[in-house]
Formats: sequence, structure tokens, C-alpha cells
Amino acid sequence: DGGITQSPKYLFRKEGQNVTLSCEQNLNHDAMYWYRQDPGQGLRLIYYSQIVNDFQKGDIAEGYSVSREKKESFPLTVTSAQKNPTAFYLCASSINGGQPRSYEQYFGPGTRLTVT
Amino acid sequence: AQSVTQLDSHVSVSEGTPVLLRCNYSSSYSPSLFWYVQHPNKGLQLLLKYTSAATLVKGINGFEAEFKKSETSFHLTKPSAHMSDAAEYFCVVGSGSARQLTFGSGTQLTVLP
Repeated sequence: DGGITQSPKYLFRKEGQNVTLSCEQNLNHDAMYWYRQDPGQGLRLIYYSQIVNDFQKGDIAEGYSVSREKKESFPLTVTSAQKNPTAFYLCASSINGGQPRSYEQYFGPGTRLTVT
Repeated sequence: AQSVTQLDSHVSVSEGTPVLLRCNYSSSYSPSLFWYVQHPNKGLQLLLKYTSAATLVKGINGFEAEFKKSETSFHLTKPSAHMSDAAEYFCVVGSGSARQLTFGSGTQLTVLP
């Protein structure tokens, strides 16, 4: 089955530690995205990548870092510089058909990160 | 620039009655529009999409939405609510930029027995 996997589903860390969230897709999509979701709020874009070895900051990139060494993988590192890291993190991917068309994104099941 | 406004943060309906979730958008270009559903602690699932074909779009689970350019709206409807429809719904607009999509703040749908 094609899809997006995120691991782990729940993650607990102590304040001051970096943590890396995994995202893998086998849909052969070029573009991948990371979003943060807080209770009662919509999704906010952290980083996105349209092609391997290239990525751009979204609206709330401070305190986060990403890499895109393979088409299938787009890991997100939450660093100790992120002031409020506790949240639900969602990874997504889409066909990158280029402008001006926007294509639907397919989402993984999410990782709930709790930092204490 | 693009934006999307979901006019109700919470909607409650009785099982078997119609559902209406309202969404207005703004976009500098001919937009692509989507509705996603999210059940608790899950990822988002695509319900339906509008990409400049038919203005009435049918989706999964009996949902449909109508694109009205003059009103800049894309409201989501279902004739008869089911208990399993209880979830959060997101209206999303895409203008074709590299960032792709802008999400509304969500509407929590409660279905009463």
C-alpha cells in the first residue's frame, strides 16, 4: 500500500534535548511538508521541500531543522531553541506539478511530541 | 496572497439531519479548493477537491461542496449526518504558489444522537 508513515506516534523528551521526527513516503511524490498543529488551531507550515536536496522555511521555522537527502524521506528535528515544542506534528506529501496548479496533499498519521 | 475563513468554529447537528460547514476564501488566482477531515489524534484525510472543473464537487462519505465564485465560497454539505461524521473539518485553498496550501482554522462537527 502506498502512503506516508510517521514514527513514533508518541514521543516524550526532556527540555533541552533535540529530537528527530521521522517521515517516509512511498507515493513517489516530489514535494513534502511539515506542519505543526496545536489544540483548537489549524495547521501551520514549518518547512517544505519541492525536490531532493532543497527545502524552504514555512511560517514557523524557528527552532526546527530539516533535511531532504532522499526523495522518500523528510525528517524534522525539533531543537532546544524551539520555545514551545509540545504539539502534534503532521507530515504530508504531494505531486509537485509546478505553478499555478495546487495539488492535494496526503498526510501521515502524525507524531504527538511532549516535552517536559 | 490567499486566505481562507471557516465561519463556524463549532457546529452541532442531530443524527439524520443536514450538515452545512461554511468556508469563504480569497485568492489572487483561480484557486484550487479542498476539504479535509481529521478524527482525533489522526492525520488529515481528503474529502473532496475543486480544481476548476464542475462547480459542484462530490466527495467521499456522502459529502459535497459547491464552488461559488461570485460569493468566494466553498461550503461543505451532507444531506444526513451520521455519528461517524463527528470530527474536525478543514477548508483549504491553494493558489499554485510553491507553498501550495493555506488551511482554515477548522470547524468541529458534533453529531448528537
